[in-house]
Amino acid sequence: DAGVIQSPRHEVTEMGQEVTLRCKPISGHDYLFWYRQTMMRGLELLIYFNNNVPIDDSGMPEDRFSAKMPNASFSTLKIQPSEPRDSAVYFCASSLKQNYGYTFGSGTRLTVV
Amino acid sequence: RKEVEQDPGPFNVPEGATVAFNCTYSNSASQSFFWYRQDCRKEPKLLMSVYSSGNEDGRFTAQLNRASQYISLLIRDSKLSDSATYLCAVNRMNTGFQKLVFGTGTRLLVSP
Repeated sequence: DAGVIQSPRHEVTEMGQEVTLRCKPISGHDYLFWYRQTMMRGLELLIYFNNNVPIDDSGMPEDRFSAKMPNASFSTLKIQPSEPRDSAVYFCASSLKQNYGYTFGSGTRLTVV
Repeated sequence: RKEVEQDPGPFNVPEGATVAFNCTYSNSASQSFFWYRQDCRKEPKLLMSVYSSGNEDGRFTAQLNRASQYISLLIRDSKLSDSATYLCAVNRMNTGFQKLVFGTGTRLLVSP
């Protein structure tokens, strides 16, 4: 199994630009999670999906963030417009069931200048 | 009070030492607990689940204390390769669905 695949690995963009992060979960996993990690706040859950349906987006910072899961094998997290404070590592994770541990992708390191 | 709290460390120990970390959680209804390991600039990787009866995997032992609301991770015979940040994760029940809340991690440095 290839694991959770994220792209790009690194993204440097200018303030105000749109950023799209991509994730392919492990095949057969019904749950997909987007986390953001910073030194100050640690790992924060942004949003998660169950069977492609968004369940809880209470962690999404503001309207500039949006996430979609058009099918079981693909999800995107979009930031528009991006701001320097969005700089962080964004992880996607998937899980077979609710109580199971999550498998994380290698993350996207986003820098907004 | 944070939902999941960990001592950030770092814990500096020599090779061969035994080291233990605790992680406290505030939601008494939490049912699932995990320890993750995260190497520098890498993703968190599941180390072990924490069961009510405690569990052991080689040099690693995890325990749960529901009365005091904490979980612990014990590492025996520390290796240089154990140097990493250890994150605890606790599930949170919300409107019928559960999600994991992570601590900010405890950094371990094992020296020769």
